Amino acid sequence: KQEVTQIPAALSVPEGENLVLNCSFTDSAIYNLQWFRQDPGKGLTSLLLIQSSQREQTSGRLNASLDKSSGRSTLYIAASQPGDSATYLCAVRGETSGSRLTFGEGTQLTVNP
Amino acid sequence: KAGVTQTPRYLIKTRGQQVTLSCSPISGHRSVSWYQQTPGQGLQFLFEYFSETQRNKGNFPGRFSGRQFSNSRSEMNVSTLELGDSALYLCASSLEGRFYEQYFGPGTRLTVT
Repeated sequence: KQEVTQIPAALSVPEGENLVLNCSFTDSAIYNLQWFRQDPGKGLTSLLLIQSSQREQTSGRLNASLDKSSGRSTLYIAASQPGDSATYLCAVRGETSGSRLTFGEGTQLTVNP
Repeated sequence: KAGVTQTPRYLIKTRGQQVTLSCSPISGHRSVSWYQQTPGQGLQFLFEYFSETQRNKGNFPGRFSGRQFSNSRSEMNVSTLELGDSALYLCASSLEGRFYEQYFGPGTRLTVT
């Protein structure tokens, strides 16, 4: 059974810092990994999708990497801003799980002005 | 292009009642998945529909059911509501295929009293 873990559970940083969020998964047989952002009480906003054959994806100040063999992904946020404050979730799509995504518990990020 | 829409956004029900939630996917998306999000269990997969057929099902009791219509709109129903069913219910849609990104709606907040 796939399990996804995110570290740290919570993170508080001053504005302008570069930061890294970590995600690990137990079963490396995945099609892809998706990073999401969730604001309090809201739905999920997709940030980046990395296919299993890719090593990284970039969008603006965000860069996500994937090491499928070791079951790890990182989300790098450059020059953090207060508007980046949210919960960040990673989710994996397994090779035998159809469209089902298995989610981590999330990292709650606070960026202080 | 309009995003995934869910109705209603908020709902309060009493134990023992039943409830129906609706999800309209992004135009052209035929795969619709449902998730339950609670503080204790995080995001858990309920089921996935494609072309009016349930393709995948999570580990939830039979009180949770769903269906999909020919226009890809989907509904989920929960019968005999329990206090523990209080949660944010999220719907996601995607194009068919394992490589495609999933897009989430804003969710329906269900409170069972």
